[in-house]
Amino acid sequence: GESVGLHLPTLSVQEGDNSIINCAYSNSASDYFIWYKQESGKGPQFIIDIRSNMDKRQGQRVTVLLNKTVKHLSLQIAATQPGDSAVYFCAENMGRDDKIIFGKGTRLHILP
Amino acid sequence: NAGVTQTPKFRILKIGQSMTLQCTQDMNHNYMYWYRQDPGMGLKLIYYSVGAGITDKGEVPNGYNVSRSTTEDFPLRLELAAPSQTSVYFCASSYYLQGEVIAGTDTQYFGPGTRLTVL
Repeated sequence: GESVGLHLPTLSVQEGDNSIINCAYSNSASDYFIWYKQESGKGPQFIIDIRSNMDKRQGQRVTVLLNKTVKHLSLQIAATQPGDSAVYFCAENMGRDDKIIFGKGTRLHILP
Repeated sequence: NAGVTQTPKFRILKIGQSMTLQCTQDMNHNYMYWYRQDPGMGLKLIYYSVGAGITDKGEVPNGYNVSRSTTEDFPLRLELAAPSQTSVYFCASSYYLQGEVIAGTDTQYFGPGTRLTVL
């Protein structure tokens, strides 16, 4: 079965608020994690990644947090905008051969 | 750079027919991948390649074949199409340096996808 999963299938957030999308993984050997954004009808688009030797990484309006103790990953989007509406996938890589395993995804819905 | 390109965008097959999904990348990436995505689901890895002449199975390889004769091209072959292969297929590529520890260096770039229906 999948070792990467997401807690909520759909998340509704007011425009301008911060969004937090969560992800649990079960493989403690995973050493690289990625968040992807997939808009309707398009391929996944890289957002941000993090190595297991880090617990936080920031990009433009996005932050990824990694808690290896509880095998939890989160994506924080600041000041959510209508263009952030998409399905967000977390993915993990066990480091041996660069195979990426995807979770099921969380749909982010922006309320006006 | 065009990035990762896939053809065709859409295709309808009858059961038992065969076809090849094309994938090309112009970023000189060593790694290439094929995924399938079923409705409302994440991506499942079918096959991947770490370089020209080398391919390996992913999570769901049955019913598919691949080849990697050049760095740029990574075609996916369906020999006997079945309804269970109805899906959206994504090709991706990345540059992976063994032992690299700087995040972001092995980012995957995805193509636009091929929507396949088998009737």
